[in-house]
Amino acid sequence: EIVLTQSPGTVSLSPGERATLSCRTSQSLSSSYLAWYQQKPGQAPRLLIYGASSRATGIPDRFSGSGSGTDFTLTISSLEPEDFAVYYCQQYGSSPRTFGQGTKVEIK
Amino acid sequence: QVQLVQSGAEVRKPGASVKVSCKASGYSIGKSVIHWVRQAPGQRLEWMGWITPGNGNTRYSQRFQGRDTITWDRSASTAYMELSSLTSEDTAIYFCAREVLGPLDYWGQGTLVTVSS
Repeated sequence: EIVLTQSPGTVSLSPGERATLSCRTSQSLSSSYLAWYQQKPGQAPRLLIYGASSRATGIPDRFSGSGSGTDFTLTISSLEPEDFAVYYCQQYGSSPRTFGQGTKVEIK
Repeated sequence: QVQLVQSGAEVRKPGASVKVSCKASGYSIGKSVIHWVRQAPGQRLEWMGWITPGNGNTRYSQRFQGRDTITWDRSASTAYMELSSLTSEDTAIYFCAREVLGPLDYWGQGTLVTVSS
């Protein structure tokens, strides 16, 4: 099983600031089969990024993903009020399809 | 538009079973996979398994040791996830989600399952 470790656990930022979230995998991911999701309280997760760096349909370009192998990053270039949420990474290259423990982006 | 609509909240006693449904519509179901993911209170998302509606193939997380069964009703365009031998640790929100090319691009609204004596 591939273990995903996200850091930091919580980050406190102000609107307009840049957020950089990390996801490390215990094994190298083939073809960068890594996705990022956003989850707000009481809601289902929403797909943001797939293939490590491709934005899903309708996702603003302030969200970007990068990385390969075992190190991946989600960057939010300038935080909007609606971006304060929990973010999860997930690998979908092998079974079981595991998730990271999440990074909470909270308002400073 | 793509929709995954799940059944309502359930309460079960320890040792019982629960069956959650997920009705799919708005897309070509035969070319997709339906996954089940759960989230216990304050915990990370946990993948449970998937089913391919086109041929009924399934795959499960070994973590559930055969307690979960995922099925597909073609006539109703509905996936089901049944979890047996429930304990309090199974109290969670259960989500279904669609996969077309790898990531989970559409999700159901979630179903809260509470296990309590």
